[in-house]
Amino acid sequence: DGGITQSPKYLFRKEGQNVTLSCEQNLNHDAMYWYRQDPGQGLRLIYYSQIVNDFQKGDIAEGYSVSREKKESFPLTVTSAQKNPTAFYLCASSAGQGVSTEAFFGQGTRLTVV
Amino acid sequence: GDSVTQMEGPVTLSEEAFLTINCTYTATGYPSLFWYVQYPGEGLQLLLKATKADDKGSNKGFEATYRKETTSFHLEKGSVQVSDSAVYFCALRNSGGSNYKLTFGKGTLLTVNP
Repeated sequence: DGGITQSPKYLFRKEGQNVTLSCEQNLNHDAMYWYRQDPGQGLRLIYYSQIVNDFQKGDIAEGYSVSREKKESFPLTVTSAQKNPTAFYLCASSAGQGVSTEAFFGQGTRLTVV
Repeated sequence: GDSVTQMEGPVTLSEEAFLTINCTYTATGYPSLFWYVQYPGEGLQLLLKATKADDKGSNKGFEATYRKETTSFHLEKGSVQVSDSAVYFCALRNSGGSNYKLTFGKGTLLTVNP
């Protein structure tokens, strides 16, 4: 089945440690996105990538980093510089850049930093 | 910039009641509009979309009409079921400098009681 796989589903880390969240898609989509979801805040865009080896900052990129070395993979690293990293992280992809193109989402990773 | 405003939740209804979740937007140009649904602990799934003014999106008994004159995209369902309990997000996708990113509202939690 085609889709987006995020792993792990739950992740616990100690404060001050970097952590990398995995996102893999087999939909052959060019564009990929990372969103952060907090209660009552909706979804906020962290980073997005339209093609391999290229990515742009979203609205809340500080304390995060990404790479896009392969079309199917878009890992997100939450660094120790992120002041409040505990959140639900969602990865998404879309087939192109058309304004009517919908995004497909993974199941999410819940990160808890203690 | 672009923005989406949804009615505050939570919304609690009895089974078979009529549902309306209000959504208004601010955007230049001609955005596409979407409703996504998120079941507990999961990612987002596209519920329906509309790509131009006066279009009606529909799926699983839900529908929403793109009203450019009132900049609205209200979600409706004539008879809700317990299985409709979820968080509903209104979103838009626009062209131009935002590079076709999705902008989300804060979400509306719907609980349907038997």
